[in-house]
Amino acid sequence: ETGVTQTPRHLVMGMTNKKSLKCEQHLGHNAMYWYKQSAKKPLELMFVYSLEERVENNSVPSRFSPECPNSSHLFLHLHTLQPEDSALYLCASSSAVGGSGPRNEQFFGPGTRLTVL
Amino acid sequence: QKEVEQDPGPLSVPEGAIVSLNCTYSNSAFQYFMWYRQYSRKGPELLMYTYSSGNKEDGRFTAQVDKSSKYISLFIRDSQPSDSATYLCAMRTGGSQGNLIFGKGTKLSVKP
Repeated sequence: ETGVTQTPRHLVMGMTNKKSLKCEQHLGHNAMYWYKQSAKKPLELMFVYSLEERVENNSVPSRFSPECPNSSHLFLHLHTLQPEDSALYLCASSSAVGGSGPRNEQFFGPGTRLTVL
Repeated sequence: QKEVEQDPGPLSVPEGAIVSLNCTYSNSAFQYFMWYRQYSRKGPELLMYTYSSGNKEDGRFTAQVDKSSKYISLFIRDSQPSDSATYLCAMRTGGSQGNLIFGKGTKLSVKP
């Protein structure tokens, strides 16, 4: 595996289900991100982790719970979601948070297409 | 006023046309400007990166930044059907807390 991988690629869940999204980066990066991409809206940054420590939580509802057990893996635990949470959830990684220059480019995974019924 | 404005399109052009994609922004502290390309069912990939004002060229792609007007552009010359994708502008301030702020993306279709 290379780059950033995400599983599952598609997920359909009911509002009472609990599910988890998984992201793995094979780039040796120290920072990982969760984004939400909805139709007709800009990418919304949800969470930022640096060296397994959460450094940013952009007012995300508690029904989304991130977990970063090590610098290569990132999870997004989902419970009691709403239909408006249906979106493409993208994971990204970079060598460090912020910084300068293209060397800190964020590499994105293919995303998980989530549908909440 | 939104931090980054980008016309979502869709934009349809014939093969070989010159494409112009644009974003405006309101935060004068933005220093780094990027264009991402996102194919259907894929994540965004970095296409062009520019620091501060000026032009940058890479093959058929040219990125321009005009900080005085708070306006950035991406030009695609001799457009190809393989350029059909959604193009996202993104920008950030400097420093360790400079998160990327994205535009909505413009969906481009290049017809053969």
